[in-house]
Amino acid sequence: AQTVTQSQPEMSVQEAETVTLSCTYDTSESDYYLFWYKQPPSRQMILVIRQEAYKQQNATENRFSVNFQKAAKSFSLKISDSQLGDAAMYFCAYRSARRYRGSTLGRLYFGRGTQLTVWP
Amino acid sequence: DARVTQTPRHKVTEMGQEVTMRCQPILGHNTVFWYRQTMMQGLELLAYFRNRAPLDDSGMPKDRFSAEMPDATLATLKIQPSEPRDSAVYFCASGLVAREGTEAFFGQGTRLTVV
Repeated sequence: AQTVTQSQPEMSVQEAETVTLSCTYDTSESDYYLFWYKQPPSRQMILVIRQEAYKQQNATENRFSVNFQKAAKSFSLKISDSQLGDAAMYFCAYRSARRYRGSTLGRLYFGRGTQLTVWP
Repeated sequence: DARVTQTPRHKVTEMGQEVTMRCQPILGHNTVFWYRQTMMQGLELLAYFRNRAPLDDSGMPKDRFSAEMPDATLATLKIQPSEPRDSAVYFCASGLVAREGTEAFFGQGTRLTVV
């Protein structure tokens, strides 16, 4: 089974500053998807950003960007201009791109999460 | 506003009681996942369905857990009998296979406390 490791249980950042959350994963597959999910106190799991392993270009979504290093199996999330609303638990997740019964929409493997605090 | 709806949001029950959690996937979605979140294990897959048929339930304790999709608009997760170690947040997520590159959308979860 694939494993996803987030080595930072907690991180903090000052409002308007930049923070980077780390994630590494272990897989023998060459094609897969990587995700960052945000879980605020409401418990809702919100997809922040997604990366396809076959794409060399790093994904970006407004203030959120990733640094995808396929050879190193590393997938970090950078949050720029941090806002108070960014405070949440962040989960890194992996999904195989292998087709199962015609689809790549399969299970996610999650890391243990990083709790991000944003200070005013 | 399409979203996955889970009921109840919170449930407190006594050990030994039956618990049923319900999920209404987004209309038209044909894949439904059940995940469990605990402090000890993190987020883990219990089971998932496609077109109402179970594809993978290897993460689910078979002796007390059961998951079904009576119809395309309802997924249920039952625990009988419940135990304190079942206390967790249970998430349902749904997705549409027909669209390549699609993702699964999560509900807000059911927080279960077994005392």
